[in-house]
Amino acid sequence: EPEVTQTPSHQVTQMGQEVILRCVPISNHLYFYWYRQILGQKVEFLVSFYNNEISEKSEIFDDQFSVERPDGSNFTLKIRSTKLEDSAMYFCASSEALRGGGNTGELFFGEGSRLTVL
Amino acid sequence: AQSVTQLGSHVSVSEGALVLLRCNYSSSVPPYLFWYVQYPNQGLQLLLKYTSAATLVKGINGFEAEFKKSETSFHLTKPSAHMSDAAEYFCAVSVLTDKLIFGTGTRLQVFP
Repeated sequence: EPEVTQTPSHQVTQMGQEVILRCVPISNHLYFYWYRQILGQKVEFLVSFYNNEISEKSEIFDDQFSVERPDGSNFTLKIRSTKLEDSAMYFCASSEALRGGGNTGELFFGEGSRLTVL
Repeated sequence: AQSVTQLGSHVSVSEGALVLLRCNYSSSVPPYLFWYVQYPNQGLQLLLKYTSAATLVKGINGFEAEFKKSETSFHLTKPSAHMSDAAEYFCAVSVLTDKLIFGTGTRLQVFP
């Protein structure tokens, strides 16, 4: 069964360092997402991406964050200068199509990348 | 703006007992509603979804949920809990777009 894969599964970094989290969405999916979950808190939407551009982003997704689809398979989340409060589990998700026209727009999630900022 | 509220951050049941996890939503337009499960150190797995078809939705692992517009609820139930059901459960809503808004989660513990 196709799945979304994320690397690394866990990354420890020093405050102020740049971090890149990588995701390989399901191959025929066109819509990509990043969510994060701070320990003990709810899962929060960060950004959605389609056709090589951001389609929606949350207040959390400030100038320190960026996303990129550098090739036909990877979808990356970059944090330029990490802060302690960036420590969280980051989930990548993808969907084949948006809601409508018989599509439910179901999101498929990866297993997450745990980021620890010291 | 849409939101979901999950009542009870922790629910404990005995094996074989009924599981009831509560979710209420807020939305000015018809929502899509979802339940996701997260096992320890794993990602989010879709349990079931409501997409404006049947109000009683059956999902994987024997779970089901009923959409009640009058109560703005989408509670998750399972007639008989199993030890393997122990996990974190998240209710989520999406309206008009595919962005999911998650609740705060309910941790289910199952005792033998």
